Amino acid sequence: SQTIHQWPATLVQPVGSPLSLECTVEGTSNPNLYWYRQAAGRGLQLLFYSVGIGQISSEVPQNLSASRPQDRQFILSSKKLLLSDSGFYLCAWRPGQGTDTQYFGPGTRLTVL
Amino acid sequence: AQSVSQHNHHVILSEAASLELGCNYSYGGTVNLFWYVQYPGQHLQLLLKYFSGDPLVKGIKGFEAEFIKSKFSFNLRKPSVQWSDTAEYFCAVKDLGRLYFGRGTQLTVWP
Repeated sequence: SQTIHQWPATLVQPVGSPLSLECTVEGTSNPNLYWYRQAAGRGLQLLFYSVGIGQISSEVPQNLSASRPQDRQFILSSKKLLLSDSGFYLCAWRPGQGTDTQYFGPGTRLTVL
Repeated sequence: AQSVSQHNHHVILSEAASLELGCNYSYGGTVNLFWYVQYPGQHLQLLLKYFSGDPLVKGIKGFEAEFIKSKFSFNLRKPSVQWSDTAEYFCAVKDLGRLYFGRGTQLTVWP
């Protein structure tokens, strides 16, 4: 069966520091991968999605970036965090073909101070 | 782009009460509709989905949702809630390959 992992689970970082959040999927090949952010009191906002290694689409211009160095690995990064980057970051995957259902990871709670 | 509205930010009910959570999306066309749920300390998971066919969709744990195309709505219902239904519920609409989420509704059920 497929599983999705995210780490760290919780992170507290100062403004201006770098960020690296990791997401990995097991038990499937060539998944579509997604990064979402949920800010306090707001819905889930799609940040990036990827249909294959090295293929990243950005939905919202910001100081975040994403990379997909391996088929089942998706990384969210920033060179300098802003206060507004605080939120709950969710990684999701879905099969490359077939169902439209997305499956979510446990999330990372990021607090920028 | 679609926008998804969930009318209630926080709903508090007693056990055995009936539940209806509202969800509206901004414009029509061919859309796929979802309700996701996140129980405390757990992953966001799929509750039910509508792609086509019968507009009344049944999901897990006794939940159902009705797609009303003319109202751009996909409301979630359960006739009798339980304490274990305490969670955050998200409505989502898939349009042109993208998934758009509502802001979520926190449901608290008192035993």
